[in-house]
Amino acid sequence: AQSVTQLDSQVPVFEEAPVELRCNYSSSVSVYLFWYVQYPNQGLQLLLKYLSGSTLVKGINGFEAEFNKSQTSFHLRKPSVHISDTAEYFCAVTTDTGRRALTFGSGTRLQVQP
Amino acid sequence: EAQVTQNPRYLITVTGKKLTVTCSQNMNHEYMSWYRQDPGLGLRQIYYSMNVEVTDKGDVPEGYKVSRKEKRNFPLILESPSPNQTSLYFCASRATGHTEAFFGQGTRLTVV
Repeated sequence: AQSVTQLDSQVPVFEEAPVELRCNYSSSVSVYLFWYVQYPNQGLQLLLKYLSGSTLVKGINGFEAEFNKSQTSFHLRKPSVHISDTAEYFCAVTTDTGRRALTFGSGTRLQVQP
Repeated sequence: EAQVTQNPRYLITVTGKKLTVTCSQNMNHEYMSWYRQDPGLGLRQIYYSMNVEVTDKGDVPEGYKVSRKEKRNFPLILESPSPNQTSLYFCASRATGHTEAFFGQGTRLTVV
């Protein structure tokens, strides 16, 4: 079984500042990693994913994440945030075996202030 | 347009009154699943289906049923809803061997 820990439940940041949302996972088998974003009253939208290959993954809206196998982390970063980035962000992991469920972290609410 | 459609988006019901939340996808995906989202807990899988007539329990299946008679549809059934099933529900689908999941817009259920 796998698990995901998002270390920060809320992250306040000023507009145009950089941000990092932290995600650690545990699994006994190889994993695939995702970041999803949820805007208020909306469903989940895929930001980016790591399946294999380059450990630095670029996604939509200027976000990127780095897969670090030794530290079992997949932190999400953006060099300069906008007000419109205010949302909840979920890190998720799945595997190619068993029921292949997406296991989600508890979410990080990013609050961008002017 | 590729999408997962859930209905209804909002539902208020009373304890014990059976209800069904529908989910339909137009991407010919084999794998479909239901999640519930609760504050501080993220999303937890309720049930999943790997193909037609193949369903199984996820992490929190108690009080729920599902069926998969057609590939595109995966309804979630609450036979006797209780207040602890008040939550935000999401349906998701993905293709076999493709790990990206597509989510519906969500159904906010309140059981009073």
